Amino acid sequence: AQSVTQLGSHVSVSEGALVLLRCNYSSSVPPYLFWYVQYPNQGLQLLLKYTSAATLVKGINDFEAEFKKSETSFHLTKPSAHMSDAAEYFCAVSGDGGYQKVTFGTGTKLQVIP
Amino acid sequence: EPEVTQTPSHQVTQMGQEVILRCVPISNHLYFYWYRQILGQKVEFLVSFYNNEISEKSEIFDDQFSVERPDGSNFTLKIRSTKLEDSAMYFCASSWRQGGMKDEQYFGPGTRLTVT
Repeated sequence: AQSVTQLGSHVSVSEGALVLLRCNYSSSVPPYLFWYVQYPNQGLQLLLKYTSAATLVKGINDFEAEFKKSETSFHLTKPSAHMSDAAEYFCAVSGDGGYQKVTFGTGTKLQVIP
Repeated sequence: EPEVTQTPSHQVTQMGQEVILRCVPISNHLYFYWYRQILGQKVEFLVSFYNNEISEKSEIFDDQFSVERPDGSNFTLKIRSTKLEDSAMYFCASSWRQGGMKDEQYFGPGTRLTVT
């Protein structure tokens, strides 16, 4: 079974500051890991994915995440926060193959302070 | 870019009524899914569907729920007798066209179901 734990349900950063959203995973098989963003009253948009290739994954809007097997982590970072980054971010995991069900974390709401 | 579409965007129904949520997955995709998100909570897996049958379902997906692919393009979720606790955003997703990568599910914009 796979699961993810997101540390911090709410994170506030100043505009221009580093964004760090934490995610730890648990998986009995090599995981496929994802970060999704959800803007208010909208659907889920894929930011980036890890599928056992490069451990540093770059996504859209300058987001990136690093897969660290030793720490079972897949933290999301962005060097400089923008007001438009304010949204809810979900870490998610899927089993080997990626076509199995996606298990989502509880989400982290990012607030960007001007 | 191809996308998953869902209709309606918002459905209001009375408790005990049947509802059908509709999804058009990405053309040539072979796996289809339904997820739900109760307001303020995380997204939860309901069911996956492949080769015209359910491949996996969660404990949420009880006898009140059913899925169907009535034709070559639509994928539906039916709730036979809605309860107040069925109020949620329902997301459809699809993945994997033959010969392509299996590693990503594409999500639709969701249908907000409100049971009164």
